[in-house]
Amino acid sequence: GNSVTQMEGPVTLSEEAFLTINCTYTATGYPSLFWYVQYPGEGLQLLLKATKADDKGSNKGFEATYRKETTSFHLEKGSVQVSDSAVYFCALSAGAGKSTFGDGTTLTVKP
Amino acid sequence: DSGVTQTPKHLITATGQRVTLRCSPRSGDLSVYWYQQSLDQGLQFLIQYYNGEERAKGNILERFSAQQFPDLHSELNLSSLELGDSALYFCASSGGLGTRTDTQYFGPGTRLTVL
Repeated sequence: GNSVTQMEGPVTLSEEAFLTINCTYTATGYPSLFWYVQYPGEGLQLLLKATKADDKGSNKGFEATYRKETTSFHLEKGSVQVSDSAVYFCALSAGAGKSTFGDGTTLTVKP
Repeated sequence: DSGVTQTPKHLITATGQRVTLRCSPRSGDLSVYWYQQSLDQGLQFLIQYYNGEERAKGNILERFSAQQFPDLHSELNLSSLELGDSALYFCASSGGLGTRTDTQYFGPGTRLTVL
């Protein structure tokens, strides 16, 4: 079956540091890849997505590139802020009922 | 705000009881998805409805059932509750059938505690 493995947390960074959260996947076919963010007490919000190989998703300074050759979709941001503190989920979708989520990575950014 | 609403926000009940969770999708969205988020199993897909019909089924227990009504709101019914059913239950919606490119918009969740 499909699976998503993401970097174990928690991750703690200082403000303005560079962020990478690793995500690799296993899937048959050609899934779409997503990063979601979950703030305390809220539901998941789409951060960015990519629907085919070599696509780059970007939003709010975050970026991730769909790498088919390494089956990866690593999340990066050049300079994190305290407000980026949240839980980040990598996910794939291979169609109806075929969404698979990683376990989530908790990011804490300190001033 | 995703536009997806869920009620109630919190629910505390006892083992063996039955509860109903309600979800209203974003305006215009035809698909509704239910997920369970627990500490030990992460985020698990339960079931999807599209325009009133069941479209896909995931790891949903037989004690759980769902439906989508003509006005497109959905309800998740959980019966014979066990301690292990304590979790956050999320509803999500999307405009389409649930193809691989569809974006799902999540509600704020219902936290269920079974005592």
